[in-house]
Amino acid sequence: KQEVTQIPAALSVPEGENLVLNCSFTDSAIYNLQWFRQDPGKGLTSLLLIQSSQREQTSGRLNASLDKSSGRSTLYIAASQPGDSATYLCAVNRAGANSKLTFGKGITLSVRP
Amino acid sequence: GAGVSQSPSNKVTEKGKDVELRCDPISGHTALYWYRQSLGQGLEFLIYFQGNSAPDKSGLPSDRFSAERTGGSVSTLTIQRTQQEDSAVYLCASSPTTTLTTETQYFGPGTRLLVL
Repeated sequence: KQEVTQIPAALSVPEGENLVLNCSFTDSAIYNLQWFRQDPGKGLTSLLLIQSSQREQTSGRLNASLDKSSGRSTLYIAASQPGDSATYLCAVNRAGANSKLTFGKGITLSVRP
Repeated sequence: GAGVSQSPSNKVTEKGKDVELRCDPISGHTALYWYRQSLGQGLEFLIYFQGNSAPDKSGLPSDRFSAERTGGSVSTLTIQRTQQEDSAVYLCASSPTTTLTTETQYFGPGTRLLVL
């Protein structure tokens, strides 16, 4: 059974800091991995999707990497801003298209002005 | 364009009552997913619809839970004889995923269910 772990559960950093959010998964037979953002009381917004054949994806200040063999992904946020405060969830799609997502419990990030 | 919408946004019910939660996916999306987000449990998959194929019900926690998707569009998640442990946020997502490709899922804002 696939398990996705995100540690720590919460993180507080000062504005401007570069930070890395970690995600690990137990079964390396994944189709893709996604990072989502969730604001309080809201749904999820997809940030980056990495296919299993890819090593990383970038969007603006965000960079996500994937090391499938070791079961790890990182989300790098450059020059963090208070508006980045949210919960960040990592989710994997098991091998084969059309599969459900298995989510980690998320990391709640607070960026202090 | 319009995103995924869900109704109601909040629902308070008494233990033992039935509830229906509605999801309107993005127009043209063939795949529709239901997830549940509980405190301490994270997001859990419930059920998945893809076109006219039989749904993947492997995540439904008990036979009190069921879902339908009419005409390949709107979906309704029904919980019968609700229990307090059913209290959670129920999230719906849709995707243009086909049997040949997989793409990101677009989530609705969720329905917050509280069972008293």
